[in-house]
Amino acid sequence: DAGVIQSPRHEVTEMGQEVTLRCKPISGHNSLFWYRQTMMRGLELLIYFNNNVPIDDSGMPEDRFSAKMPNASFSTLKIQPSEPRDSAVYFCASSSNSPLHFGNGTRLTVT
Amino acid sequence: EDQVTQSPEALRLQEGESSSLNCSYTVSGLRGLFWYRQDPGKGPEFLFTLYSAGEEKEKERLKATLTKKESFLHITAPKPEDSATYLCAGISSGNTPLVFGKGTRLSVIA
Repeated sequence: DAGVIQSPRHEVTEMGQEVTLRCKPISGHNSLFWYRQTMMRGLELLIYFNNNVPIDDSGMPEDRFSAKMPNASFSTLKIQPSEPRDSAVYFCASSSNSPLHFGNGTRLTVT
Repeated sequence: EDQVTQSPEALRLQEGESSSLNCSYTVSGLRGLFWYRQDPGKGPEFLFTLYSAGEEKEKERLKATLTKKESFLHITAPKPEDSATYLCAGISSGNTPLVFGKGTRLSVIA
């Protein structure tokens, strides 16, 4: 099993640009989670899906953030427009009545 | 509000020097307490799940224990390869996703 796959691994962009982060969960997992990690706040849940349906997006910081899961094997997290304070590592994780399995993250830098 | 607090923030040990990491939680109706290991540039990797007070689990030099208020990760005779950030997380009876602590950065010096 390839595990949870995230792309890109690193993203550097300028303030105001649109950023799209991608995630392929482990096959057969029916829950998908997006987390953000910073030194100050640790790992914060942004949004999670069950069976491709968004369940709780209360962690999404602003309307600039949106997430989609068009099918069981793909999800995106979009930031538009991006701001310097969005700089962080964004993790995707999947599970199926099991502990979360994390990808290796996307390190986002907004200048 | 569910909360998980880990201490210390950072710990530096000599190789072979045993110690413990603490995770205290205020999670309503705790359904599970999880420990993860995170290496630099990687995502967290699952180590243990504990479900009830008194439960213990072991893996190599690591042993996790759970009480009604906190969990400990005991590291016996650590080696440099045990250096990592150790994260603790809880899940409540409301079936909400994991709430993570900020982690303990462990450095083991040869």
